[in-house]
Amino acid sequence: AQSVTQLGSHVSVSEGALVLLRCNYSSSVPPYLFWYVQYPNQGLQLLLKYTTGATLVKGINGFEAEFKKSETSFHLTKPSAHMSDAAEYFCAVRGAGSYQLTFGKGTKLSVIP
Amino acid sequence: DSGVTQTPKHLITATGQRVTLRCSPRSGDLSVYWYQQSLDQGLQFLIQYYNGEERAKGNILERFSAQQFPDLHSELNLSSLELGDSALYFCASSFLGGDTDTQYFGPGTRLTVL
Repeated sequence: AQSVTQLGSHVSVSEGALVLLRCNYSSSVPPYLFWYVQYPNQGLQLLLKYTTGATLVKGINGFEAEFKKSETSFHLTKPSAHMSDAAEYFCAVRGAGSYQLTFGKGTKLSVIP
Repeated sequence: DSGVTQTPKHLITATGQRVTLRCSPRSGDLSVYWYQQSLDQGLQFLIQYYNGEERAKGNILERFSAQQFPDLHSELNLSSLELGDSALYFCASSFLGGDTDTQYFGPGTRLTVL
């Protein structure tokens, strides 16, 4: 079984500041990890994913995440926040051999001008 | 635009009623997933179909059922509706449904049960 914990249901950052959204997972099998973004009244859009290989994964819109097995973490970062980054972000895990995504509760990111 | 379409966008109905939500996957995708998003439960996986066959089941209630048709579109049927079924229902699709596949999400159907 897999589970995801996202620390902080709401994060506020100033425009131009570092964005750090935290995600910890538990999985009994090698995990595949995903970050999705949801803008108001829209579906989820994939930002990035880790399956195998390089543990630092680059995604769209300048976001990146690092898979740290020893810390069971997959935190999402962006060096400089933009107003358009304001949205809800979901971390998800899928265990190897599993078909379903297990999502965290989500973190709402606000960007202050 | 993910290429996944869902209809209707909004649905308002009464307790005890039955509704059908429809999903068309991205062109070429064989697998369809259904998720429920509610304030208290978050995003929860309901069921997955691959090329017309049920592949995986999650937290889907017995009052709910789904199917995937030969043209690969899918329908989620919700019956004997309760107030607690009010939620956003997402459909997602992926090419093969494998564990590394990216799932592409539709815009969702917002169901309100009064």
